[in-house]
Amino acid sequence: EVQLVQSGAEVKKPGESLKISCKGSGYSFTSYWIGWVRQMPGKGLEWMGIIYPGDSDTRYSPSFQGQVTISADKSISTAYLQWSSLKASDTAMYYCARLSVITMVQGVPRGPIDYWGQGTLVTVSS
Amino acid sequence: DIQMTQSPSTLSASVGDRVTITCRASQSISSWLAWYQQKPGKAPKLLIYKASSLESGVPSRFSGSGSGTEFTLTISSLQPDDFATYYCQQYNSLWTFGQGTKVEIK
Repeated sequence: EVQLVQSGAEVKKPGESLKISCKGSGYSFTSYWIGWVRQMPGKGLEWMGIIYPGDSDTRYSPSFQGQVTISADKSISTAYLQWSSLKASDTAMYYCARLSVITMVQGVPRGPIDYWGQGTLVTVSS
Repeated sequence: DIQMTQSPSTLSASVGDRVTITCRASQSISSWLAWYQQKPGKAPKLLIYKASSLESGVPSRFSGSGSGTEFTLTISSLQPDDFATYYCQQYNSLWTFGQGTKVEIK
């Protein structure tokens, strides 16, 4: 059974750093792209970026480029999302998600999300 | 960037109703579109991919259609379990989600 299990809820202060995780199991972790999706309170879904754990190829949404860092440790089948300096506006639920790649187009994966993590709630407040 | 616009934002319906949600892309995305269902406090769930392909295990009352820039999600007979928020997502060029359509009880 494919599972993506995320780390627990976090409460942080503005300016603090944070790294949340997403552990994959039940499939070949290095063969599927993993993405991160933000959902601010009461709002919709926003794609942040994706990583291919096999070679750590990473792509960011222009809206999140430079704001977060996505990484992966294939030895422990875990992907990460990190911030160096949190802001109150980073308060949100963050989901990791597995991309079901249908095809590659000029090196960019194309496919829907077939599995989601349970979400990690990040609260940033002074 | 490709923008995705869903309509309506909220839809009030009764059990047994036929429900249609529309998603428009700012440029052609061929059939590279997915639909997701999200219930409060839960992660989204894939319903439809490639505009009209039903994900395994999803009830057949859900269907998708369209290509190019205009797409629809139809629920043929709304069930109590279907009251949720629905999102379209293009994956022709990276990813973009629509803003969501909340289906609520009339």
